[in-house]
Amino acid sequence: DTGVSQDPRHKITKRGQNVTFRCDPISEHNRLYWYRQTLGQGPEFLTYFQNEAQLEKSRLLSDRFSAERPKGSFSTLEIQRTEQGDSAMYLCASVNPTGYGYTFGSGTRLTVV
Amino acid sequence: AQRVTQPEKLLSVFKGAPVELKCNYSYSGSPELFWYVQYSRQRLQLLLRHISRESIKGFTADLNKGETSFHLKKPFAQEEDSAMYYCALRTGGGNKLTFGTGTQLKVEL
Repeated sequence: DTGVSQDPRHKITKRGQNVTFRCDPISEHNRLYWYRQTLGQGPEFLTYFQNEAQLEKSRLLSDRFSAERPKGSFSTLEIQRTEQGDSAMYLCASVNPTGYGYTFGSGTRLTVV
Repeated sequence: AQRVTQPEKLLSVFKGAPVELKCNYSYSGSPELFWYVQYSRQRLQLLLRHISRESIKGFTADLNKGETSFHLKKPFAQEEDSAMYYCALRTGGGNKLTFGTGTQLKVEL
């Protein structure tokens, strides 16, 4: 499968626990994006990387959130001390260097109980 | 600040009827607009963008800067068009997108 892969598909965690999600973009895509989508809303931008550099972070991304993309390949999004308000679908997308349209992954659905 | 508005949460039409999904935007710069679609149990995917001025699966969308709109249209709805449709606005140089809240299109037989 040459698409964008996200792992896990679903995650249920207790409030206060830390969680980490992984995204594997299409290999030749140098830009990688994280979005969050809550029920009834469209995706909201969180952060993006060009290769290994994190170029922009949304104000939605509190100090409890951190993202990395070591070596410019896969990316991880970590949420520390999860809160119920973090429950959402976390989407990853990548874009090729000359393109414009995102290729989205299937997302990771986080439920904080 | 940029904003994308999709006023209808749900649009229900009969098969063969025309479809128009509304999208309005607010942005001080030069807008670049897209429509994304999510079919049941599938990933969000690009449907079309205004720059290419193409028709995809019979859908077209024209950017109207005067009305700040980018409505999605199709003359004859098909059952397979039933899906969630998101209008998105590209802002800045980083390909970052601002999405609307989406419209669920339901095509009834």
